[in-house]
Amino acid sequence: EAQVTQNPRYLITVTGKKLTVTCSQNMNHEYMSWYRQDPGLGLRQIYYSMNVEVTDKGDVPEGYKVSRKEKRNFPLILESPSPNQTSLYFCASKRLAGFNEQFFGPGTRLTVL
Amino acid sequence: KQEVTQIPAALSVPEGENLVLNCSFTDSAIYNLQWFRQDPGKGLTSLLLIQSSQREQTSGRLNASLDKSSGRSTLYIAASQPGDSATYLCAVSSSGNTGKLIFGQGTTLQVKP
Repeated sequence: EAQVTQNPRYLITVTGKKLTVTCSQNMNHEYMSWYRQDPGLGLRQIYYSMNVEVTDKGDVPEGYKVSRKEKRNFPLILESPSPNQTSLYFCASKRLAGFNEQFFGPGTRLTVL
Repeated sequence: KQEVTQIPAALSVPEGENLVLNCSFTDSAIYNLQWFRQDPGKGLTSLLLIQSSQREQTSGRLNASLDKSSGRSTLYIAASQPGDSATYLCAVSSSGNTGKLIFGQGTTLQVKP
């Protein structure tokens, strides 16, 4: 089944404790992206990647890092999480060429205490 | 700066009714427009993608239209069912192939049996 997977689905952590949210897709998509969803603010892009080793900032990149060492994986790294990073996070992917739809993962609900 | 607005924010209808969800965007220079469904606490499911050169797309009971010149899209749901209850999100891609989606705040639909 073609899908985008994320782990963990739920995470409660404390301020300053480094964490990684993994994202993997099995559709051989070049493009991958991370969004966060907050009440009243909607979905906003954090980082995106056009291909392996190519990443760029989205609209709200502060406090996040990403890497793209393999085509299928695009982890989101919070080096020192803060309470304002409590949010619902989504990973997405799409084929780069053409007018292609984006596929989203199931989401990761993160709470930073 | 592209802004996406969805009206109404919430809608409650009896089962069987046909309904229209509205999406408007401020910059007509879009690459494509995508409609998603989000169930509470869940991920985003892609419903329809309309390329900038298209006027409409259909999938089952769903029909999405696009009028770039007026900056509007509508999602028509025929013969609504309780299972259609969810939040519907409209998103536009305005930046060529960088893939960033600008989302509306969504319309939360409740279909009563």
